[in-house]
Amino acid sequence: DSGVTQTPKHLITATGQRVTLRCSPRSGDLSVYWYQQSLDQGLQFLIHYYNGEERAKGNILERFSAQQFPDLHSELNLSSLELGDSALYFCASSETSNTGELFFGEGSRLTVL
Amino acid sequence: GESVGLHLPTLSVQEGDNSIINCAYSNSASDYFIWYKQESGKGPQFIIDIRSNMDKRQGQRVTVLLNKTVKHLSLQIAATQPGDSAVYFCAESFYNQGGKLIFGQGTELSVKP
Repeated sequence: DSGVTQTPKHLITATGQRVTLRCSPRSGDLSVYWYQQSLDQGLQFLIHYYNGEERAKGNILERFSAQQFPDLHSELNLSSLELGDSALYFCASSETSNTGELFFGEGSRLTVL
Repeated sequence: GESVGLHLPTLSVQEGDNSIINCAYSNSASDYFIWYKQESGKGPQFIIDIRSNMDKRQGQRVTVLLNKTVKHLSLQIAATQPGDSAVYFCAESFYNQGGKLIFGQGTELSVKP
């Protein structure tokens, strides 16, 4: 158990819809990262928050947004969903913002029909 | 552009043998390299990392070798066990972007009893 909690574990929705994925980092970790894992793109970095502030963006679509709240949990919002958005979405946390040792949750599997 | 790739998509070894998983990277400016293990249904798990100014680092039953001349990274697992069966990813990063990892495609390691 990494200590990172993600909900929901599975989510099935239709094209055009909007979903919110939630992440609770390990206790004490200030950094939260979101990654997308799909069969064709592999593991792709989406966005990084540190203590409530956005620190880095990767290949995150404009339809996607995220935030980190004062209690350090984070949410990833996916809107106007397309079939190609079907993937595993991982949240990871770390104590600092300059380490490659991330603690990943078990992911949220999104299926868009 | 930046990319990290793996030479072999699958690797099958006998229990007790040593395993070597290889990775090629293209960005010579990367500051450090990390290996992750992902078991079925779980998120990636940190194994070991190595800074670009090192050529070898050892952990428990694992050794990472870095050859900057040919931009090659390898993970050696000693006395491979059934519990080592998983997909292994190499990733690269930069000191000021610690958690923004660029992952390779992954190698599936299968350990035969």
